[in-house]
Amino acid sequence: NAGVMQNPRHLVRRRGQEARLRCSPMKGHSHVYWYRQLPEEGLKFMVYLQKENIIDESGMPKERFSAEFPKEGPSILRIQQVVRGDSAAYFCASSPGTQLEAFFGQGTRLTVV
Amino acid sequence: ELKVEQNPLFLSMQEGKNYTIYCNYSTTSDRLYWYRQDPGKSLESLFVLLSNGAVKQEGRLMASLDTKARLSTLHITAAVHDLSATYFCAVDMNTGNQFYFGTGTSLTVIP
Repeated sequence: NAGVMQNPRHLVRRRGQEARLRCSPMKGHSHVYWYRQLPEEGLKFMVYLQKENIIDESGMPKERFSAEFPKEGPSILRIQQVVRGDSAAYFCASSPGTQLEAFFGQGTRLTVV
Repeated sequence: ELKVEQNPLFLSMQEGKNYTIYCNYSTTSDRLYWYRQDPGKSLESLFVLLSNGAVKQEGRLMASLDTKARLSTLHITAAVHDLSATYFCAVDMNTGNQFYFGTGTSLTVIP
């Protein structure tokens, strides 16, 4: 059973471009969480999704950021018109249900130049 | 909003010594998680503590939870260099929607 798979592992974008981060949850997991980690800081919650539904997006910036978890395929975190402040590590986690342990992917390290 | 504080933020200790990392949180929760992160890597789950008084041990690490005091501890016994990493505690609000992470404790074990 492969773990949570994120790609790409590293992503470089110029200011104003779009960044797309992908997350394939563990087999049998239908709950996906996205977190952002700035250098030397802990992880900050962004969004919680179940298949085809956004359950909690209270941690998502109001503009430029969006997330989806379609019926088929990976979850996507999309950042439009990236700025330098978006540079961070973005981690995805999955769990088989609520109130159960979540497992984290390797993360995508986004650098905006 | 739930706040999670860890201390110390940085810890340098000699091999063979014992030490405790503390995790305080600001609101009622009876689920707490400890994770380890190596530089540039993802988070590795260490312990899941699901009730007041829970104690779990794995090798040189032992974690405990006191929900009344809103405090969890991660105790390190006879530290070895391989334990050098950043340790995070995380709490959820009993809704399962999200974890609130502490700021992390960067541990360096010196030979």
